[in-house]
Order: sequence, then structure tokens, then C-alpha cells
Amino acid sequence: DVKVTQSSRYLVKRTGEKVFLECVQDMDHENMFWYRQDPGLGLRLIYFSYDVKMKEKGDIPEGYSVSREKKERFSLILESASTNQTSMYLCASSYTGTSGNIQYFGAGTRLSVL
Amino acid sequence: GEDVEQSLFLSVREGDSSVINCTYTDSSSTYLYWYKQEPGAGLQLLTYIFSNMDMKQDQRLTVLLNKKDKHLSLRIADTQTGDSAIYFCAENPDGAGGYNKLIFGAGTRLAVHP
Repeated sequence: DVKVTQSSRYLVKRTGEKVFLECVQDMDHENMFWYRQDPGLGLRLIYFSYDVKMKEKGDIPEGYSVSREKKERFSLILESASTNQTSMYLCASSYTGTSGNIQYFGAGTRLSVL
Repeated sequence: GEDVEQSLFLSVREGDSSVINCTYTDSSSTYLYWYKQEPGAGLQLLTYIFSNMDMKQDQRLTVLLNKKDKHLSLRIADTQTGDSAIYFCAENPDGAGGYNKLIFGAGTRLAVHP
């Protein structure tokens, strides 16, 4: 089974702190994604990566950056956390297969910024 | 532009059928997906359909696709309390292959009551 692991289920941080969210997948997938999920808004794509050291902005990249130094790991960085970044963050990975772009998700990290 | 729309809530009685509807905008979508999110968890792929099909059945799940109207539905037969979750519809607007992103709807919260 594909496993996507997010390092923390819950995080509480203070405004202005630098925050790292880590995601690891064990299926040698090329593509990795970071989303945030807010009630009534569904999933919004923050950044994605299609290869090591490669990244592309999603729909809401402002206030975030990412790092992909190894194929299995994709990190989301909040340079200076703000209260409007309180949300559920979901990581996903995918490969290019015969069924299009099936994405496999981690359990999510619920971040509260106080 | 790309957009996926779903109603936000659906309430059904245990044992009845549930029908969750979705409309999408991009006719180039080659695959369409249904994901399920249980409380406190990430998204799990339920099923998907290739755009040249109009129906797919998998045990209690039936997916219907009307490509002309860009309408997708998920029918759950004999709905159980364990089916209570948020259901997301997603399209793959750039077709199969590559690192193409998925576009998700806002999710439909299904509540199953006795």
C-alpha cells in the first residue's frame, strides 16, 4: 500500500514563527503536492513538485515556500506564520499511470497559529 | 476556467440510496475521481471513471458520467452509518500523464441518520 506520512497531526504555533511541515512518501512517486483545506472551500493547491529540486506554484502560494531535496520528501514552509494560515494541511503524492493522476493523501496536519 | 461544483450537504436515512452530484467545466478532463474523507483523516480514493465511459459500478458504488452536460454523480446503495464522510469530486483537466494537478470540488458532507 502507498503510504504518505505527515510528521505531525496537530501543531500550535505563534504568529511570526517559522513553521515546517514535513511529508514523506514511500512509493517512489515523481509528483508531490501541498494543499490547505478550509470548510466550504475544499482543497486549494499551495505548491507542487514534479521532481527533486523542482517546484511549481499552485493557486495560493503567498506566504508559503517548499523544499524538495530528496524524491521521497516534500516540505512546506511558513516563513512567518500568521493567524490566517490556521488550517488543515494535506500532502499528496502521485505517479503517472494508466489511471491518470491518482493522488494519495497523508492524514493531514491541523495547524493553529495563535 | 477550471471549476468543480458540488452541493455542501446531504442527509439520508440508513438503508436508503445516496446520490452526490458534481459539475465540472473542463471538457478535456480525461479522468474524473471521487474521494472520501472520514473525520480527522486525509482523502482516500473511492473510485474513478474514464471520460469515454458513462457508467462504472463497484459493489455499492455507481458512478454516472454525462459528458455532454459535464455532470458526474456518485450513488451509494444501502447507505450505512460508516458512509458518513465528506465526498470530493475531482477532475484531471490536462488529461492523463505528466504531473498534472487535480481540481477538487468543495466537498459534500454526507450525514447518515437512523
